[in-house]
Amino acid sequence: DVKVTQSSRYLVKRTGEKVFLECVQDMDHENMFWYRQDPGLGLRLIYFSYDVKMKEKGDIPEGYSVSREKKERFSLILESASTNQTSMYLCASSLSGIQGYFGPGTRLTVL
Amino acid sequence: AQSVTQPDIHITVSEGASLELRCNYSYGATPYLFWYVQSPGQGLQLLLKYFSGDTLVQGIKGFEAEFKRSQSSFNLRKPSVHWSDAAEYFCAVAAGEYGNKLVFGAGTILRVKS
Repeated sequence: DVKVTQSSRYLVKRTGEKVFLECVQDMDHENMFWYRQDPGLGLRLIYFSYDVKMKEKGDIPEGYSVSREKKERFSLILESASTNQTSMYLCASSLSGIQGYFGPGTRLTVL
Repeated sequence: AQSVTQPDIHITVSEGASLELRCNYSYGATPYLFWYVQSPGQGLQLLLKYFSGDTLVQGIKGFEAEFKRSQSSFNLRKPSVHWSDAAEYFCAVAAGEYGNKLVFGAGTILRVKS
C-alpha cells in the first residue's frame, strides 16, 4: 500500500512564527503536492514538485515556500504564519500522471 | 482556466436509497476526471477516474460515474447507500500545461439517515 505520512495531525502556532509541515511518501513517487482545504472552497494547490529540488507554484503560493531535498520528503514552509493560514493542509504524491495518494492532513491553527 | 462545480453543498439520503452527486467541469479538450471521498478525519481516497473509452466508469465501494461530454458532467452514483458512505465527496479535473495538477470542486457533504 502506498503510504503518505504527514508529521503532525494538529498544530497550533502563533502569528509570525515560522512553520514547517513535513510530508513523506514511501513509494518512490516523482510528483508531490501540497494543498490547502477550506470549507466551501475544496482543495487548492499551493505548490508541487516533479523532482528533487524542483518546484512549481500552484494556484495560491503566496505566503508559502517549499523544499524538496530528497525524493521521499516534501516540506511546506510558512515563513511568517498569519491567521488567514489557519486551514487543513493535505500532502499528496503520484508516480506518473496525476492520480494522487493523499496523506491524512495537518490541521493548522494560527493564533 | 479549468474549473469544477459541485452544485450541492449538502445532500441527505436515507440508507438504502439511491444517490447521485453532481459534477460539472470546464475544460477545452477531453478531460481527465476523478472522484475522491474524504471520511471524517481522513485524507482523500480515490473512488474512480475517467481518462478515455467507456463513459460509464466503475469504482470502489459500489460507486460509478458517467461522463457526458454534451453536458460537461461527470456525476457520481450509487444504487443503494450505506451509513458508512457518509463523507465529503470531491470531483476533480486534471489541469495545467502537462495535466499533472488537479483542480477540485468545493465538495459535497453526504449525510445518511437511518
